[in-house]
Amino acid sequence: NAGVTQTPKFQVLKTGQSMTLQCAQDMNHNSMYWYRQDPGMGLRLIYYSASEGTTDKGEVPNGYNVSRLNKREFSLRLESAAPSQTSVYFCASSGRQVVTEAFFGQGTRLTVV
Amino acid sequence: GENVEQHPSTLSVQEGDSAVIKCTYSDSASNYFPWYKQELGKGPQLIIDIRSNVGEKKDQRIAVTLNKTAKHFSLHITETQPEDSAVYFCAAPNQAGTALIFGKGTTLSVSS
Repeated sequence: NAGVTQTPKFQVLKTGQSMTLQCAQDMNHNSMYWYRQDPGMGLRLIYYSASEGTTDKGEVPNGYNVSRLNKREFSLRLESAAPSQTSVYFCASSGRQVVTEAFFGQGTRLTVV
Repeated sequence: GENVEQHPSTLSVQEGDSAVIKCTYSDSASNYFPWYKQELGKGPQLIIDIRSNVGEKKDQRIAVTLNKTAKHFSLHITETQPEDSAVYFCAAPNQAGTALIFGKGTTLSVSS
């Protein structure tokens, strides 16, 4: 089992460019999440999807959009990247809508110059 | 919404000593409290969790204690080893119970 797979692993963007971070899980989980990790700030929730067909804002949603493409896939889009979005992005999934253990991907390191 | 505070931000111990990391939460309705370990270059991984109907849970050298009245929970690592060096995060559910809100993390360094 691959678990949670994120692509790409590394990306450099210029300010104003757009890109989509991809995430897929093979555990048949209902819930999926996007977090960003910054030094001294811990893991902050951007958006989540408690079930296929639903998405909700987390703690820091501004500047991002998400799509729950199907039960396996949950993508995060930056429409116009800003240097403040330089971060490590983690996708996670959990088996139930009521939160239990979350399984994380390996992360995407994004730099916006 | 839920607010999770974690202390200390860094912790250095000698091999064999114990380490304690503490977290407080704000939502008295929260009922699930996990701890994650993140090694360099990897995603966080669950190491232990506790539900609100239990005061303490142990798994070999790690334990978690919960005080619902005071709204705080702690991670205890005994007989620390160099491989325990990592960043540790506590978490609690958001108000809807559908996502985890994390503390800011504790960088634990175990020197031999």
